[in-house]
Amino acid sequence: DVKVTQSSRYLVKRTGEKVFLECVQDMDHENMFWYRQDPGLGLRLIYFSYDVKMKEKGDIPEGYSVSREKKERFSLILESASTNQTSMYLCASKAGARGYTFGSGTRLTVV
Amino acid sequence: GENVEQHPSTLSVQEGDSAVIKCTYSDSASNYFPWYKQELGKRPQLIIDIRSNVGEKKDQRIAVTLNKTAKHFSLHITETQPEDSAVYFCAASKNTDKLIFGTGTRLQVFP
Repeated sequence: DVKVTQSSRYLVKRTGEKVFLECVQDMDHENMFWYRQDPGLGLRLIYFSYDVKMKEKGDIPEGYSVSREKKERFSLILESASTNQTSMYLCASKAGARGYTFGSGTRLTVV
Repeated sequence: GENVEQHPSTLSVQEGDSAVIKCTYSDSASNYFPWYKQELGKRPQLIIDIRSNVGEKKDQRIAVTLNKTAKHFSLHITETQPEDSAVYFCAASKNTDKLIFGTGTRLQVFP
């Protein structure tokens, strides 16, 4: 089974802090994705990457950046955390013609 | 870009009854439509998917139908059980590219 591991299950950060959310997959997948999940809004795509050092903006990239220095690791960066970035963040990876495998999520609270 | 609408947002059924969740998409080039189930506190898991060259697909008690002309697809769950209670998300993509998700349906199955 593919494993997608997110480094933190829960995080509490202060407004203005720089926040790193890490995601690692163990199956050599090219494609990796970051979503945020909010009640009533579903899963919204923040950024994605199809290869090392490659990144593409999703639907809601404002306030976020990403890094993909190695194939297995895709990091989401909140440059200056704000309270409206309090959310559940889900990482996913994909190879081939099937759907995603999701990580277990990071619940981020910005105070 | 692609936009996916999902209805209803909540659905309550009696155990043994059927449940139907409907989604519409905007981009006629979309050709891959997965459904995910997310139990409370867990990651979304792929339960069934359909491609645009197929009108219907079944897997035991779940089925998905696709109407390309109308640009809508539906999830059907028959003989519902309490363990079917979860949030269900539909999604759409082109060539299994990045997935755009609906806003989710919370299904409650009462014994």
